[in-house]
Amino acid sequence: DAKTTQPTSMDCAEGRAANLPCNHSTISGNEYVYWYRQIHSQGPQYIIHGLKNNETNEMASLIITEDRKSSTLILPHATLRDTAVYYCIVRLVVSGTYKYIFGTGTRLKVLA
Amino acid sequence: DGGITQSPKYLFRKEGQNVTLSCEQNLNHDAMYWYRQDPGQGLRLIYYSQIVNDFQKGDIAEGYSVSREKKESFPLTVTSAQKNPTAFYLCASSWSGRAEDTQYFGPGTRLTVL
Repeated sequence: DAKTTQPTSMDCAEGRAANLPCNHSTISGNEYVYWYRQIHSQGPQYIIHGLKNNETNEMASLIITEDRKSSTLILPHATLRDTAVYYCIVRLVVSGTYKYIFGTGTRLKVLA
Repeated sequence: DGGITQSPKYLFRKEGQNVTLSCEQNLNHDAMYWYRQDPGQGLRLIYYSQIVNDFQKGDIAEGYSVSREKKESFPLTVTSAQKNPTAFYLCASSWSGRAEDTQYFGPGTRLTVL
């Protein structure tokens, strides 16, 4: 199973860009990379996903390296409300259904 | 207002009792999932269902049971056979069989067994 590796924690100053890295060196060609975040005691919130190309939405940008072995989630202007645990997830197809493999994530703290 | 609801938010039970956690979605999603989260850990898959009246075990199904009698509902029963039931339980749903299958999560139920 493809696994992801993320730093345990990161700090970011409010208003600055937060760049959260993720390694997924064993990813297969048809496996998507998903990003979620979880604020304490709430359900994970979907942020963005991608396969090969860089992606951008109203919340964030996702940069995937050409070899697809790593990616970076970018929050362009971090606010205090972005403080959360961020999960980089590879979605696998197992027995005809899609499974997420969750790691322990990166705890991002946005500092005032 | 579309979404996934889980009830209750907090649940307390005595050891040895079965307890059922509710999960309802009005997103018309085919697939539904149950995860367990322990403190400081990621999510682990308990059971999933791709279609009504069908479900499969996930990675940690022992001590749990589910049913899928309706498309919008996927209740999880934590039985007395589950050795460490105290945890945060999360339900999710998604379209099934589509190329990009994003899972959307409910707010979770925190179960404490006394």
